[in-house]
Order: sequence, then structure tokens, then C-alpha cells
Amino acid sequence: AQTVTQSQPEMSVQEAETVTLSCTYDTSESNYYLFWYKQPPSRQMILVIRQEAYKQQNATENRFSVNFQKAAKSFSLKISDSQLGDTAMYFCAFMKLDNYQLIWGAGTKLIIKP
Amino acid sequence: EPEVTQTPSHQVTQMGQEVILRCVPISNHLYFYWYRQILGQKVEFLVSFYNNEISEKSEIFDDQFSVERPDGSNFTLKIRSTKLEDSAMYFCASSEREGTEAFFGQGTRLTVV
Repeated sequence: AQTVTQSQPEMSVQEAETVTLSCTYDTSESNYYLFWYKQPPSRQMILVIRQEAYKQQNATENRFSVNFQKAAKSFSLKISDSQLGDTAMYFCAFMKLDNYQLIWGAGTKLIIKP
Repeated sequence: EPEVTQTPSHQVTQMGQEVILRCVPISNHLYFYWYRQILGQKVEFLVSFYNNEISEKSEIFDDQFSVERPDGSNFTLKIRSTKLEDSAMYFCASSEREGTEAFFGQGTRLTVV
């Protein structure tokens, strides 16, 4: 069975700093998708970034980028120039391609301090 | 921008009652999902739905739960005989086609008292 592990329950950085959230996963599949979702205090789940496992190039979306290490089964999220609005829970998720369900990590609470 | 909408935002119900949580997925999306998040815990998959039938369900999704797409636009989750431990945020999501990202609604907070 696939599992997703986020080892950092909570992180706190100063505004404008760079922060990296870690995510590891376990799967025997060779092709799959990985996602980072942000859950602000409003509780909505917002897609931050997506990575297809067959692509070697790391996905980037403005200030957000990932370090995808397929052999190590690692998928970390880097947030550059962090902003107060980045304060949220961040969930890493793995998508199986047989049924497209998302398997979620436990989340990392990120606090950006002014 | 199209979005997934869920109603109500908060539902309080007596233990043992039935509740229906409603979702309107994005109009051209074909895959629909329900997830649950007990307060402070991880998001858990409940069920996926495609072509008017359940394609996958988790062990959480037992006979107490059912889903329906009654009219081509709504996607509902019915919980029969609610229990205290059903209290959670319930998220609906939809995706355009297989393997694409899921877009989530804002969630319905269900409180069973």
C-alpha cells in the first residue's frame, strides 16, 4: 500500500525567507503523480504544485518549486521569498494512476512570521 | 474561474439522524470524489465516482454512506444514522479527466451532537 510521510508537523520562518517542506512516499508503482496542496485557515484545499513521476524536470510555479528525487521517493516543496499569506497547512499527496485517488500525508503547519 | 461549491458550509445534526452533503463539481469535470478530514488530522479518501457509478471506495465508506449524482450537476454524500465520530470536514473534489489534478470545494463542517 502507498503511504505518504511528512516528518515536520510544524515549521516557522520569517517573512521573505526560504523554507523547504519535506515529503517522502512509499510505492511500488513506476508512474504516478505527486501534489502539494495548501490549506489556509479558511479550510479550503488549494493546489500548489503538481509533478508527474515520469518527468525528470522539477515542477516550478512562481515562488514554489519542488525537489523530486524519484529513486529516494522524496518530494520536497521549496517556498522562496515567503509571504504572510503562505501561512497554512501544507499537505503532500500521491495519486495512484489506477483509480486516481489521492493518498495524503499528515500535513505540515507552516507559520510565516512578520 | 470555475470552482467546486459545497453546501452547507456547516451542518449540525443530532446523533442518529441522516445528513446529505451537497456538492456542485466543475461543469466539464468527469471524476468526482469525497474526502474527510477529522479536525487536526490527515485528509482521508472516502469514495470516487465516474460514469454514474462508484469506481473506488475506502474502508471508511461502509453501508452508512452513499453517493449520488441525482441531476447531472449535483454530487451528494449521504450519511445515515450519524455517529459522533462522523464529525469532520467533508471535502468534495472533481477532476476533468483521469490523472489530472483535483479541484476541491471549501468543505462542509459536519458536527454530530
